[in-house]
Amino acid sequence: AQKVTQAQTEISVVEKEDVTLDCVYETRDTTYYLFWYKQPPSGELVFLIRRNSFDEQNEISGRYSWNFQKSTSSFNFTITASQVVDSAVYFCALNYFNKFYFGSGTKLNVKP
Amino acid sequence: DVKVTQSSRYLVKRTGEKVFLECVQDMDHENMFWYRQDPGLGLRLIYFSYDVKMKEKGDIPEGYSVSREKKERFSLILESASTNQTSMYLCASRPRTGGSLSSYNEQFFGPGTRLTVL
Repeated sequence: AQKVTQAQTEISVVEKEDVTLDCVYETRDTTYYLFWYKQPPSGELVFLIRRNSFDEQNEISGRYSWNFQKSTSSFNFTITASQVVDSAVYFCALNYFNKFYFGSGTKLNVKP
Repeated sequence: DVKVTQSSRYLVKRTGEKVFLECVQDMDHENMFWYRQDPGLGLRLIYFSYDVKMKEKGDIPEGYSVSREKKERFSLILESASTNQTSMYLCASRPRTGGSLSSYNEQFFGPGTRLTVL
């Protein structure tokens, strides 16, 4: 069975702090993709990144970085120097045969 | 600019009413999905469709049905709305990709419909 766990329900930080959102997944498959989405207050989920199960290279995009570790089945997301506009709910998801399995989401509050 | 649109942002219905939620995508995607989002539970898949007139049950199909008569449109139907169906409903679409890339594509989401059943 596929499962994604985001243990952090809600995180509050002050602007410019770094923050890491955790994601742990379960799957028996060897080929899969992991995704991160952002859901701002407007409601629409926005795609951030995908990662193939065979590619464990970390990725950096501006203030965002992702750490994929197959050994611990984790795909964590770090925001460096957070900004108020980063306030949103963030979802981690696992794709398996056309079905996405989403975590319960982490609500990030960035205060000025 | 690619788009998934949903017929209403907010909807209020009464218990027992038949409710239609409409979703339209303009990306010529084969796959379309309906989720409901509840606090602490994330997104749960209700139904999905991989082609016109084709549908598959998701994890929580009870109390719902779907219709896909045209490729661009996927409707979610609540035959007799109940208060426990009060939720945010999200539609998504995704292109089909075969072979080893079958899991590659992301889903594109609509803005959601917040349904309240009184």
